[in-house]
Amino acid sequence: DQQVKQNSPSLSVQEGRISILNCDYTNSMFDYFLWYKKYPAEGPTFLISISSIKDKNEDGRFTVFLNKSAKHLSLHIVPSQPGDSAVYFCAARLTGTYKYIFGTGTRLKVLA
Amino acid sequence: EAQVTQNPRYLITVTGKKLTVTCSQNMNHEYMSWYRQDPGLGLRQIYYSMNVEATDKGDVPEGYKVSRKEKRNFPLILESPSPNQTSLYFCASSSRDRDNSPLHFGNGTRLTVT
Repeated sequence: DQQVKQNSPSLSVQEGRISILNCDYTNSMFDYFLWYKKYPAEGPTFLISISSIKDKNEDGRFTVFLNKSAKHLSLHIVPSQPGDSAVYFCAARLTGTYKYIFGTGTRLKVLA
Repeated sequence: EAQVTQNPRYLITVTGKKLTVTCSQNMNHEYMSWYRQDPGLGLRQIYYSMNVEATDKGDVPEGYKVSRKEKRNFPLILESPSPNQTSLYFCASSSRDRDNSPLHFGNGTRLTVT
């Protein structure tokens, strides 16, 4: 059973527009959520995170939103740039542990 | 430069031939973990270690072994590799000093078992 789901395998966005990547989770026992970006032939790179006690965290062009009642996490990238083209993974950490559950990834393509 | 280093990056082997994938981090992190990435399945945890001499199974530990004799190193051992272990493997580490410290990943090892 996939506890963390990224239902969109791919997304294409025009340069300069907003990219919105979504992630849904089923377990209420997650206390920390993260987004990673992955380029081909490289490991995932940490992008931004949010604690379960917050509903928004912003870092430059990247904003993560957490809707606990809907068990939904989203990453907004504004404005999108061609260099943002990568696979994005969301991850959630089980409360009181160091166990992370990852989604299956969304491939973002930003068109110039 | 703070990093997690895995070796080798690519490995092709045959069924049953023991192999080790090394992982080393220079950030003095207590926590280290191994993941495998397969199409449509995301990253799944194989084993993790909370500190030296403290290892535990993740979600998919069958066919794998690990050891943590030193803080910086966390090798992944396949005693008798099988074709279903063909995958992309990532080592990761994080600090336990702060509550919310992200995982830092290595660049991956692509393993093919024929």
